[in-house]
Amino acid sequence: QKEVEQDPGPLSVPEGAIVSLNCTYSNSAFQYFMWYRQYSRKGPELLMYTYSSGNKEDGRFTAQVDKSSKYISLFIRDSQPSDSATYLCAIRGGNNRLAFGKGNQVVVIP
Amino acid sequence: EAGVAQSPRYKIIEKRQSVAFWCNPISGHATLYWYQQILGQGPKLLIQFQNNGVVDDSQLPKDRFSAERLKGVDSTLKIQPAKLEDSAVYLCASSLETGLGYTFGSGTRLTVV
Repeated sequence: QKEVEQDPGPLSVPEGAIVSLNCTYSNSAFQYFMWYRQYSRKGPELLMYTYSSGNKEDGRFTAQVDKSSKYISLFIRDSQPSDSATYLCAIRGGNNRLAFGKGNQVVVIP
Repeated sequence: EAGVAQSPRYKIIEKRQSVAFWCNPISGHATLYWYQQILGQGPKLLIQFQNNGVVDDSQLPKDRFSAERLKGVDSTLKIQPAKLEDSAVYLCASSLETGLGYTFGSGTRLTVV
């Protein structure tokens, strides 16, 4: 069983729509949950991280963690063309090793 | 603050040839990571250094991949001999010992033909 599962399907939305992304993880020992954004030909950049169940907001972005179901989500409100990128969920394990999902390519159409 | 520097940006080699990638982490970052990102997948950790010692190399194909971090700063990752399935982006990242400041470089895109 993979540590992190993320349905890698691409997602196209019109500008202003809400984007919803999610992942599941297998090891309940994991404590830190991240979302990374990766633009084409760039390395991943940290978008948000959380370590507890519940919601965390940062501007138009909301990260949600449900530890009981081992489910993490990212919501992007009022999506903009500049949000077009690949979004990767990640969990941080021992020694600060990151385990990533496969990523979702998001395209926001003006 | 300067980011994680990697070179070269792109490399095309024939199978069975050798190749080396270089990484210069953020100044003061004790921990350095090499990840492999195959097209359509998330990055996978290959090796992790703490200063110049190896912390985790459990997913490094040691028959063909090697890495070193001399003097606890720069690092090189080598593949010899390369296979077609090694075509990927090789990402270097660095962080403080605590894991704070985790930053990725832009990667080296390797194509093996």
